[in-house]
Amino acid sequence: GQQLNQSPQSMFIQEGEDVSMNCTSSSIFNTWLWYKQDPGEGPVLLIALYKAGELTSNGRLTAQFGITRKDSFLNISASIPSDVGIYFCAGQTTSGTYKYIFGTGTRLKVLA
Amino acid sequence: ETGVTQSPTHLIKTRGQQVTLRCSSQSGHNTVSWYQQALGQGPQFIFQYYREEENGRGNFPPRFSGLQFPNYSSELNVNALELDDSALYLCASSVDRFDEQFFGPGTRLTVL
Repeated sequence: GQQLNQSPQSMFIQEGEDVSMNCTSSSIFNTWLWYKQDPGEGPVLLIALYKAGELTSNGRLTAQFGITRKDSFLNISASIPSDVGIYFCAGQTTSGTYKYIFGTGTRLKVLA
Repeated sequence: ETGVTQSPTHLIKTRGQQVTLRCSSQSGHNTVSWYQQALGQGPQFIFQYYREEENGRGNFPPRFSGLQFPNYSSELNVNALELDDSALYLCASSVDRFDEQFFGPGTRLTVL
């Protein structure tokens, strides 16, 4: 099935470091969402972006809706051990279905 | 406010059997979307229900079918189960078709 390109695929970082990940597509999207998923659980919504160029923060998380509407970025500042998990981006299609297409995921591991 | 709930949490079936998964949407939400998540991958869109009607479908065969009830809860039915149907099935609800989606904890289906 269709999935968005997410990078990096996985990363190990030290506690306190900043983290950046991004999501790219060949298609334009109306909305970008960022989720975090812990093993065996459903994804939890972190940030929603609705307009090209929009920059939104949620605590230590900051995300941006790319100006071309084909990409999005998520930054986590001063990482802590509970940031461990898999982060997914999701873009909403511009056609009538309003379906979300998910990225391949970025697996984050934080070393204390 | 109760979030999205799904039942059962785990299910084991054999090839060729049929299964029904259930989802209760969050209060005030009229749209339910179903996703299949294979191990190590992002969620794949199966279909969406809006006000009891199917409102878009992903690349899944007709043996995947669904229903939405007047209280906006939903069912996912899968007939003639195949080994590749083993996955985490996620339900997400939203206030309307184009809004951000909130996920339930998922149902883990194993097909033997």
